[in-house]
Order: sequence, then C-alpha cells, then structure tokens
Amino acid sequence: DAGVIQSPRHEVTEMGQEVTLRCKPISGHNSLFWYRQTMMRGLELLIYFNNNVPIDDSGMPEDRFSAKMPNASFSTLKIQPSEPRDSAVYFCASSPGLIPADTQYFGPGTRLTVL
Amino acid sequence: AQTVTQSQPEMSVQEAETVTLSCTYDTSESDYYLFWYKQPPSRQMILVIRQEAYKQQNATENRFSVNFQKAAKSFSLKISDSQLGDAAMYFCAYRSGGTKSSGDKLTFGTGTRLAVRP
Repeated sequence: DAGVIQSPRHEVTEMGQEVTLRCKPISGHNSLFWYRQTMMRGLELLIYFNNNVPIDDSGMPEDRFSAKMPNASFSTLKIQPSEPRDSAVYFCASSPGLIPADTQYFGPGTRLTVL
Repeated sequence: AQTVTQSQPEMSVQEAETVTLSCTYDTSESDYYLFWYKQPPSRQMILVIRQEAYKQQNATENRFSVNFQKAAKSFSLKISDSQLGDAAMYFCAYRSGGTKSSGDKLTFGTGTRLAVRP
C-alpha cells in the first residue's frame, strides 16, 4: 500500500513567485495535516482537514498561505507570494480519522527554498 | 498548552549497545497519547512507537521500548542492540486524547540527533 505522496520533493523559487505543494493521502484516510519544519521553530502544524473540510487553520502563518482539499485523495498548500523566510520542509500527513488513537503517517516532505 | 521537551540535542551510541533518549512533557490532561518518530537523512518521518497514557504497561516494538512515567511526565525511548540504520533524528510527540477543543495536532519536541558508531 502506497504511503503519503508529496510532490515536488524539492522546489527552488524566487521571492514573489507562487508555490504550490501537493499531497496525496493514504487511501481510506479521512484526515490530512500540513506541517512545516524549520531549524528555528521545529515541526509545527499549519492546517488540517477532516473529510475534506478544513478544521483548524490557526497555524497558517499569514494570508499568503492557503490550503485546499478538493477531494479525498488530493490536497494543495499554496504560498503566494513566496518569501525567503518560507524556506522550510513541508510535510503532509494523513490518518484514518481524528480520534486521538489514530496515528498520523507522514509523507517524505517537500524541501522549499525561496531565493 | 502542551509542551514537549527533549533536553538532549545529540546522542551517540556504539553499535550493538543500548541508548536511551529522554523526553518530558507538560500537560494538565489525563488522557493523551505519546509518540516517538524517527527522521533519517531521507527526511521521512517514521513512526517508531506509541503509548496510550491510560495504559500502565510500557509499549515495545522489537528493539524499541519506552519507559513511560506518567506522574513524572516522562517518556523515554530505549533502543537496544543499536544498528547503523538507527542513526537519525528522533522526535517525541504529544497528542491530546480529549475533546475537539483540545485540538488534534501533534506537538513535537525539538528532536535528538542519534549517531551510531561502528
């Protein structure tokens, strides 16, 4: 069974450009999470969905960040316009549901570099 | 808010030996879940082991086991018979077992980088 799939694995862009990160959760999982990992702040939750509906986006740093989940098998995280301080590794994770016992399974991450 | 503290930024262990990684957390909740994730150089976050707070028995997964001390709010990871492939960053994480208002997120510690010497 395929795990969480993220694309691209690496993204290098220039300040001001739009960046779109993509995630395909594990089939059958109803919850999807977007995390960001930086040296300064560690791993932090940006937003999560349950049954394609955003539940909590309080971790989204600014209005430049937006996330969508148009269907159960696809989600995007968009940054527009991007800034150098957005450089980080972005992880997508999925879990069967939102009960606390559900384990979150992480994708391989997207390393974003904004020049 | 819950916090997770990993006080050892780096650890080193000789191959085949045993190493213990420390984790403490702060919470006012009685129902929660604790996790250890491994992040090798590939960056993939891999679940190593999990512990339900209501269980007194310490979780074990092959060479990995935890020492869960609920009163002390301590959750250490023991790796026995260390292997070269165990070299990675290890993150301790907390998840509330309470109501929706407690949130569904994982709260991570800052990580411990484990080196395994051949």
